[in-house]
Amino acid sequence: KQEVTQIPAALSVPEGENLVLNCSFTDSAIYNLQWFRQDPGKGLTSLLLIQSSQREQTSGRLNASLDKSSGRSTLYIAASQPGDSATYLCAVRGETSGSRLTFGEGTQLTVNP
Amino acid sequence: NAGVTQTPKFQVLKTGQSMTLQCAQDMNHNSMYWYRQDPGMGLRLIYYSASEGTTDKGEVPNGYNVSRLNKREFSLRLESAAPSQTSVYFCASTSLWWSHNEQFFGPGTRLTVL
Repeated sequence: KQEVTQIPAALSVPEGENLVLNCSFTDSAIYNLQWFRQDPGKGLTSLLLIQSSQREQTSGRLNASLDKSSGRSTLYIAASQPGDSATYLCAVRGETSGSRLTFGEGTQLTVNP
Repeated sequence: NAGVTQTPKFQVLKTGQSMTLQCAQDMNHNSMYWYRQDPGMGLRLIYYSASEGTTDKGEVPNGYNVSRLNKREFSLRLESAAPSQTSVYFCASTSLWWSHNEQFFGPGTRLTVL
């Protein structure tokens, strides 16, 4: 059974800092990995999707990398801003799970002005 | 495009009452999902519909039923609500085309069962 772990569970940084969020998964047989953002009391917003054949994806100040063989992904946020404060979740789509995603529990990020 | 919409946004039920959560998407996606989110448990899949006319159980289906009404709409029914079903419920959808299978989520329904 696929398990997804996100470390740390919570992170507090000063504004302007570059930071890395980590996601690991136990079964490397995946189609893709998706990073989401969730604001308090809101739904999930898709940030980046990396296919299994890709090494990284970029969107603005966000860069997500994928090392499928080692079961790891990182989300790099450059020049963090208070508006980046949210919970970040990663989810994997396994090769044997159809279209279903397995989620990590998320990293709660606080960026202090 | 509205994306994925859910109704209601909030609901309070008494134990034993029934209700249906509604979900609709306007992105012409073929697959739709119902999740629940609980503190310390993360997001867990309740039921999903890979395509119109099909539904399958996810990780935590007990106490729930679903209906894929048409390609746009996927409803979740609680026949006899229990306090353990207090949670935030999210609907999501995706297309299964290889390069377009991002999941998109609705805003959620916050359900309290007393």
